[in-house]
Parts: sequence; structure tokens; C-alpha cells
Amino acid sequence: KQEVTQIPAALSVPEGENLVLNCSFTDSAIYNLQWFRQDPGKGLTSLLLIQSSQREQTSGRLNASLDKSSGRSTLYIAASQPGDSATYLCAVVDSNYQLIWGAGTKLIIKP
Amino acid sequence: DTAVSQTPKYLVTQMGNDKSIKCEQNLGHDTMYWYKQDSKKFLKIMFSYNNKELIINETVPNRFSPKSPDKAHLNLHINSLELGDSAVYFCACGASGGVLNEQFFGPGTRLTVL
Repeated sequence: KQEVTQIPAALSVPEGENLVLNCSFTDSAIYNLQWFRQDPGKGLTSLLLIQSSQREQTSGRLNASLDKSSGRSTLYIAASQPGDSATYLCAVVDSNYQLIWGAGTKLIIKP
Repeated sequence: DTAVSQTPKYLVTQMGNDKSIKCEQNLGHDTMYWYKQDSKKFLKIMFSYNNKELIINETVPNRFSPKSPDKAHLNLHINSLELGDSAVYFCACGASGGVLNEQFFGPGTRLTVL
């Protein structure tokens, strides 16, 4: 059974720092992995989608990597800003076409 | 212009009541979803509709009944609400191909059952 884990559950860093959020999954048989951002009252926003054949995707200051064999993905945020404060969720589409979610990492960027 | 909208945003109601949550998307996508986010923040898919037809129906009590009057709408009706139904419910949409495609989410409806 596929399980997705995100550690840490919460992270607080000063503005301007680069940071890495981690996501691990137990079964490497996935179709893709997505990173989302959740803001209170605003739902989830898709940030990056990495297909199983890809190693990374980039969007602006965000870079997501995927290592399927080790069951890991990282979301790298460069030059963090207070507006980056949110909960970041990762989700994988498993071999049964189920979207399996992690519980998220709550990120706080201190001005 | 909001891509996926849900109403209401907050819903507080008594046990045993019947309530509905509405969802509308203006992205023109064929597939719509309902997710439940529990207190531990995990999202679990409840239903998926493609072109008004039910595709996925996870293990959800039959008190929950989705209705898709057209491709742009997927409403969720809940009968005989229970305390355990308290959660945030998210509507989402995406292109045909289901969960393999990027999904776009609504703002969520926080349901509190007293």
C-alpha cells in the first residue's frame, strides 16, 4: 500500500534563505508526483508536476526533483519570501491511479 | 475570475441535518472530484465524475450523494450529518485522463457538525 510521508511537519526559516522540503513514498511504482501549496481559505494550488520519467521540474524560484528508485522527492525554494508561507503538500499517482497525499509541511518564513 | 468555486465556504450545522455543497468550474475540464481533508490534513478522494458520469466512488457512506447536472458543476449532498463528517471538503477539476493530469482545486468548504 502506497504511503506518502512529509518531514518535517513544520518548518520556520528567516526570509531570504534557501530551503528544501522533503517527500517520501513507499512504492516506487508511480505515474507522477505533484507538489501543491495550500493557503488558508484559498484551496490548493498546483506548483509542479513531475512525470515518472522525469528527474526534475522548475518554476521560478521552485525546483522539484524526483528519485523514483529511492522513493523521494524534494521541493527546493530559493530566496524564500514571507509570501511563501503556506502548507506544502506532495501527492503521488500510484499504480492503481489513486492520488495518495502526504500530510504536508507547514512553512513559515519570518520577515 | 475564479477557476473552481465552492459554496458555502463555511457550514456549521447540527447532527442529523441534510446539507449540500456546490462546486462550479469554468476551466472547461471534463473531470471533477470531491476530496475530504481530515483533521490530520490528509486528503482522500471521495468521488470522481467525467462528463457527468461517476468514475470513482471510494468507500464513502451512501449518505453522501454527488450530483453533476452538467460538466461544469459537481454538487455534494450529505444526508443525516454525523460528527465524523466534520472536515474540509475540496472540489477539484482536471482534464480527461483523471488523476494523471494536473488538478485545480477550489477554496474548500469547512463543514462543522455539532
